[in-house]
Amino acid sequence: DSGVTQTPKHLITATGQRVTLRCSPRSGDLSVYWYQQSLDQGLQFLIQYYNGEERAKGNILERFSAQQFPDLHSELNLSSLELGDSALYFCASSVVGGGPTSEQFFGPGTRLTVL
Amino acid sequence: GENVEQHPSTLSVQEGDSAVIKCTYSDSASNYFPWYKQELGKGPQLIIDIRSNVGEKKDQRIAVTLNKTAKHFSLHITETQPEDSAVYFCAATSNSGYSTLTFGKGTMLLVSP
Repeated sequence: DSGVTQTPKHLITATGQRVTLRCSPRSGDLSVYWYQQSLDQGLQFLIQYYNGEERAKGNILERFSAQQFPDLHSELNLSSLELGDSALYFCASSVVGGGPTSEQFFGPGTRLTVL
Repeated sequence: GENVEQHPSTLSVQEGDSAVIKCTYSDSASNYFPWYKQELGKGPQLIIDIRSNVGEKKDQRIAVTLNKTAKHFSLHITETQPEDSAVYFCAATSNSGYSTLTFGKGTMLLVSP
């Protein structure tokens, strides 16, 4: 158990809908990262927050957004969902927001299925 | 940006054999190289990492080597056991300065008893 929690575990929804995925980092970790894992693309970095502020952006679509709250939990919002958004979404956390010592610890993931 | 290539995509070994997974990266500024193990239905778990100031690191049956000149690093698992069966991912830091990771496509390791 990494100490990172994600809810829900599974989410089934329809095209065009909007969903919110939630992540609670390990106790003491200030940084949260979101990743998308699909069979053909592997693990793709989406976005990083550090202590409430956006720190880095990866391959995140404009239909997706995220935020980190004062209690350090984070939410990933996915809107206007398409079939291709079906994937596993992982959250990871680390103590610091940058530098070479930022080991990232992953949560169990949320499996999103868009029908 | 960073690009990480990982080989092989699948690897089958007999219990007790050694397994080697290799990765190459493109950004010479990358300086942190973790390896993750992902079991079915679970999130990736950090198993070992190496930084650019060392060439090799060992942790029991697992070792990682880094060749910065050639820009490649490898995971070595000795005396494999069935519970080592999983998907293994290598990763490297991008040059963003914020330790965002770029992952390889993964290697499915199957250890047969």
